[in-house]
Formats: sequence, structure tokens, C-alpha cells
Amino acid sequence: DGGITQSPKYLFRKEGQNVTLSCEQNLNHDAMYWYRQDPGQGLRLIYYSQIVNDFQKGDIAEGYSVSREKKESFPLTVTSAQKNPTAFYLCASSEGLSGELFFGEGSRLTVL
Amino acid sequence: ELKVEQNPLFLSMQEGKNYTIYCNYSTTSDRLYWYRQDPGKSLESLFVLLSNGAVKQEGRLMASLDTKARLSTLHITAAVHDLSATYFCAVGRDDKIIFGKGTRLHILP
Repeated sequence: DGGITQSPKYLFRKEGQNVTLSCEQNLNHDAMYWYRQDPGQGLRLIYYSQIVNDFQKGDIAEGYSVSREKKESFPLTVTSAQKNPTAFYLCASSEGLSGELFFGEGSRLTVL
Repeated sequence: ELKVEQNPLFLSMQEGKNYTIYCNYSTTSDRLYWYRQDPGKSLESLFVLLSNGAVKQEGRLMASLDTKARLSTLHITAAVHDLSATYFCAVGRDDKIIFGKGTRLHILP
């Protein structure tokens, strides 16, 4: 089945550690996005990519990094520089600029 | 800077009643989206609106777009408990898609 797969679903991390969240899609979509959601809040854009080997910062990129080496994959690294990383992270993709976003199931990160 | 505002942020309503959620945005846009999120889950796409005057309906939900007023509405007709969820609008401009804070809808039996 076509879709977006995020892993891990739950992740616990100690302060000072970097963690990488995986996002893979088999929809052949060009565009991919990472959003962060805090409890009771909307989604805030971290990074997005419209094409392989190119990506742009969203509204809250500080403390995060991404890569887009393959069309299917858009991993997000939460670095130790991110001051408050505990959140629900959602990856999405779309066929083009006018297309709807298809979301993965999300990754819930907790910093201990 | 593109900003998206939804209101109300919380809504508690009785089954069988009608209500409307509003989504205002600050700059011109060429596309608007509505999503549903159940607690602890990801987002499910409801509607994509691409032109002024666009109206789409699915079951008890109807979405419309007025690009001149920079306003979209999500109308709920004869609400049922299964529609309890958080509803988000999102607005696209160039290659960014920005979300509102969401409207938490609770429908009382």
C-alpha cells in the first residue's frame, strides 16, 4: 500500500543527545515536510523540501537538521541545541504545490 | 508573513445542531486545506480548496473559500458524536503550508 512511514513511533532521549526520526514515502511525491505539534497546539513547520538535495527552513528550524538524498526519504535530526524537543513530530508529503498533504502516523519524542 | 487564525478554538455543541468554524489568513494564497485530527492520531485530509468560491461537501461537512475576504468556513450540519475531533485549516503560499491552531470540537449526545 502507498503511504508515509514514520519511525520510531515513540522515542525517549536523554538531554544532550541527538536523535534522528525517519520518514519514508512510496507515493512518488516530490514535496516533503516536517511539522512539530505541542499539546493542544497547531502544527508548526520545521523544514520542507520540494526536490532532492534541496530543502528550506520553516518557522522553527533552530535545533533541527534534515537531509534529502533520495526522493523517498526525508529524515529529521533533533539536535542537542533544540531547547524543548519533547513534542509530536509529523512528516507529510504532497505531489506538488497544489496537492493535499498526506501525513505519516507521527513520532512522539520525550526528553527525560 | 503568512498567518492563519481559526475561531473558535474550542466548541462544545449538542447533537443535531449546526455550526461553523472560521479560518482567516493574512496574505494572498492559492490553496486552502481542512484536516481532521483525532486524539493521539495523525491528520486526515478533508478538503482541498483551490479557487475563489470553491465549495466542497462530504457528508455533514461543507467547506467554502472566499479568497477576496481571505476566509474559509467549515460548516457542520446536524452534528453527530462521531464528528468530535480537532479540525485544522492550513493555507498554502508559494511552497509553504501554514496551519491554524485548530478548533477542538466536542459534540454532546
